[in-house]
Order: sequence, then structure tokens, then C-alpha cells
Amino acid sequence: EAEVAQSPRYKITEKSQAVAFWCDPISGHATLYWYRQILGQGPELLVQFQDESVVDDSQLPKDRFSAERLKGVDSTLKIQPAELGDSAMYLCASSLVTQETYEQYFGPGTRLTVT
Amino acid sequence: GQQVMQIPQYQHVQEGEDFTTYCNSSTTLSNIQWYKQRPGGHPVFLIQLVKSGEVKKQKRLTFQFGEAKKNSSLHITATQTTDVGTYFCAGPGDSSYKLIFGSGTRLLVRP
Repeated sequence: EAEVAQSPRYKITEKSQAVAFWCDPISGHATLYWYRQILGQGPELLVQFQDESVVDDSQLPKDRFSAERLKGVDSTLKIQPAELGDSAMYLCASSLVTQETYEQYFGPGTRLTVT
Repeated sequence: GQQVMQIPQYQHVQEGEDFTTYCNSSTTLSNIQWYKQRPGGHPVFLIQLVKSGEVKKQKRLTFQFGEAKKNSSLHITATQTTDVGTYFCAGPGDSSYKLIFGSGTRLLVRP
């Protein structure tokens, strides 16, 4: 069964450093999402792509976060500089949108710890 | 902004007991999705409800969409230890195919 791939699975970084996460969605899924999940809370959307275009980045802290999906396939989320409050799980999801459903398939996530 | 509220936050049951989690929205939802996240895992899609008053079943899980399409529920009959996890509802956001997730209900099952 096809899965969403993410790397790294865990990342520890010092504050003020740069960090990057990678996501490879399920083949053929045009819609890609990056979420941040704080322990005990639901996933919060950071950015949504349709192919290579950003559809929604209203919750992305643009002063420090950036995301790209240059060829409309895999995607990178970057934080520079990292802050203590960025410690969280970063989840990538992809979706094959049809008339009936747009269920999202999540990757295993990257757990970020900022020290 | 749009919010999807879930209650309860936690539920601790004895194996074999039933469990229900509720999801409420202040606005009418075109659809609602449910996800399950096992401890240490990632959210996994369970089901999507679209029609007013819709009821769908998956083995011991029963999902319902309210008549006014502002609320939904997930009921598990005779819980098992494999049901442990956090159950999230998610409603449409303000852009195409965006989801707003509730805060989740964490289910713990005593064997």
C-alpha cells in the first residue's frame, strides 16, 4: 500500500538554527498539506499545495517558515531560525481529490525538539 | 475563524464498555471526516459523512451526521484495547479541500 514518506523522523536542534523537513506524497496526489501538531491537540494546517501552487498559507509564520513544492511532487518545509515554541510534530499529508471525497493520508511525521 | 469542538477531551473505559465522542460546529458543514491516531502514530482516515442525518457503520464503530449538519458523533460498541487512541473529527475550512481538525478525544481502555 502506498504511503506518504517523511524525513527525518526525529530532529533535535538548537534555537536560532535552521531546520528542514522533507515529504514525498503518495504518487498521483496533487494536494499536499503540512500540519503542526502539539501534544494533546489536533493537527493545525500550516500550508496547503495544489500541485506546485500554494492554496493556503494563512497560518504559516512567514517570518521564519517557508515551504516549497517546486515540481509539484515532493515538498520541503523550512524553519529559520528555530524557536523553542516550534517544538512539535510536523505532519505531511496528501490527498487525491475526487467528487466524492478528499480524505487525507498522513506520513509518520517529524518530531522536532528545539533546545 | 471556523472551529470544530470535540467533547470529551478524555474517556477512560473498561474493556467491553461503549464509548461516544461528539463533534460540534457553529456553522453548517458540507461534510465531516473522522480520523484515528494511535499513540505515537499519525492520523488515519476512518470515514467521511456528507448527507444530513447520515449514519454509517464500520464493524463496532457507528458514525452519525446531525440533521442540521452542525454536529457529528462516533460511537464504539464494546470497546477493545485495540480501540485505544485519539479520535479527531475534521470539518471543511475556508479554502478548497482544507480541513479544520477538532482537539480530539483520547480513549483509554482498561483490559
